[in-house]
Amino acid sequence: DGGITQSPKYLFRKEGQNVTLSCEQNLNHDAMYWYRQDPGQGLRLIYYSQIVNDFQKGDIAEGYSVSREKKESFPLTVTSAQKNPTAFYLCASSPGQGLSEQYFGPGTRLTVT
Amino acid sequence: AQSVTQLGSHVSVSEGALVLLRCNYSSSVPPYLFWYVQYPNQGLQLLLKYTTGATLVKGINGFEAEFKKSETSFHLTKPSAHMSDAAEYFCAVSDLTDTGFQKLVFGTGTRLLVSP
Repeated sequence: DGGITQSPKYLFRKEGQNVTLSCEQNLNHDAMYWYRQDPGQGLRLIYYSQIVNDFQKGDIAEGYSVSREKKESFPLTVTSAQKNPTAFYLCASSPGQGLSEQYFGPGTRLTVT
Repeated sequence: AQSVTQLGSHVSVSEGALVLLRCNYSSSVPPYLFWYVQYPNQGLQLLLKYTTGATLVKGINGFEAEFKKSETSFHLTKPSAHMSDAAEYFCAVSDLTDTGFQKLVFGTGTRLLVSP
């Protein structure tokens, strides 16, 4: 089955710790994205990657970092510099350039205390 | 930059009633438009999309949406609500980044509540 997997589903961390969220896709898509979802605010773009070894900041990149060493994988690190990291994080992918829809993973709920 | 407005953070309907979820976008240039649905603690699933051509777009689960350029709207409708339609719905519009890449801009979502 083709799709996007995110792990873990729930993640708990203490304040001051970095944490990495996993995102893997087997759809052979070039583009991948990370979004943050907070109640009442919709989805906000953190980072996106058009192709392997390339990524760009989205609208709320501060306190986050990413890498794109493989086409299938786009991990997101939430650093201790992110002031309010508790949120639902969604990974998505799309075939690439062009106005195609994005396919979403099931999400990771991060709670930082 | 594009923006999307979804009127009403919550919409309540009775089972069997018409569902109408509103979406307006900002640009005068016809964009590509999408509706997604999200069930609790899950990712987003595409309901339908408008690219070019016919302005009335049919999607999954009996939903449809009409692109109205003059009103910059893309409202989502379903003739008869079912209990399983209770979820959050997001409208999204395509937008061009500074590097020429197409991204999606999402509205803040509308939670649909369906009562028996």
